[in-house]
Amino acid sequence: AQSVAQPEDQVNVAEGNPLTVKCTYSVSGNPYLFWYVQYPNRGLQFLLKYITGDNLVKGSYGFEAEFNKSQTSFHLKKPSALVSDSALYFCAVSPLYSSASKIIFGSGTRLSIRP
Amino acid sequence: EAGVAQSPRYKIIEKRQSVAFWCNPISGHATLYWYQQILGQGPKLLIQFQNNGVVDDSQLPKDRFSAERLKGVDSTLKIQPAKLEDSAVYLCASSLLAGASSYNSPLHFGNGTRLTVT
Repeated sequence: AQSVAQPEDQVNVAEGNPLTVKCTYSVSGNPYLFWYVQYPNRGLQFLLKYITGDNLVKGSYGFEAEFNKSQTSFHLKKPSALVSDSALYFCAVSPLYSSASKIIFGSGTRLSIRP
Repeated sequence: EAGVAQSPRYKIIEKRQSVAFWCNPISGHATLYWYQQILGQGPKLLIQFQNNGVVDDSQLPKDRFSAERLKGVDSTLKIQPAKLEDSAVYLCASSLLAGASSYNSPLHFGNGTRLTVT
């Protein structure tokens, strides 16, 4: 069965420090991978996606993510965190094995940036 | 472009009552999704439409949930009768592309409807 794991419920980082939010997945074949961010009382907003090609993907608000096929991971990163980055982050995967493919979301990681 | 519109924003009902949610996707978006997001969890797909046809409703509790997308635009999701465990945020999302291409197309989410069943 396909699955997405976000092993950390919460990540705490000081402003200005680099941040990493972890995501691992288990799917058949090559996946499409996504990161979304959710602010309080709002829907999810798309940050970035990996389809194919360069393993380092750049997205909105200075975020980037690194695809590692051997480790089946797609960690979200940012070189210098801002307080405004504090939010809930979701990793998602879309497996490509059949017409029944659908996007599966992880359980989310709450990112807290302290001033 | 205008985003995905959902209403109402909040709804409180008693168990066994019925409730309906409305969604207006981004103009021109072929694919529409309804997700259920329980507190502390990621969104779970309930139903996916492509234009006005159902693509995937495998996780929709069909004994109490129903959804339609008339004319391939607006959509409504209904729960009848509601249970306590239906308390969640119901998110509508749309994507531009249809078919297999929809799976690499970013989703655009509305702000959701927070349902509380007492």
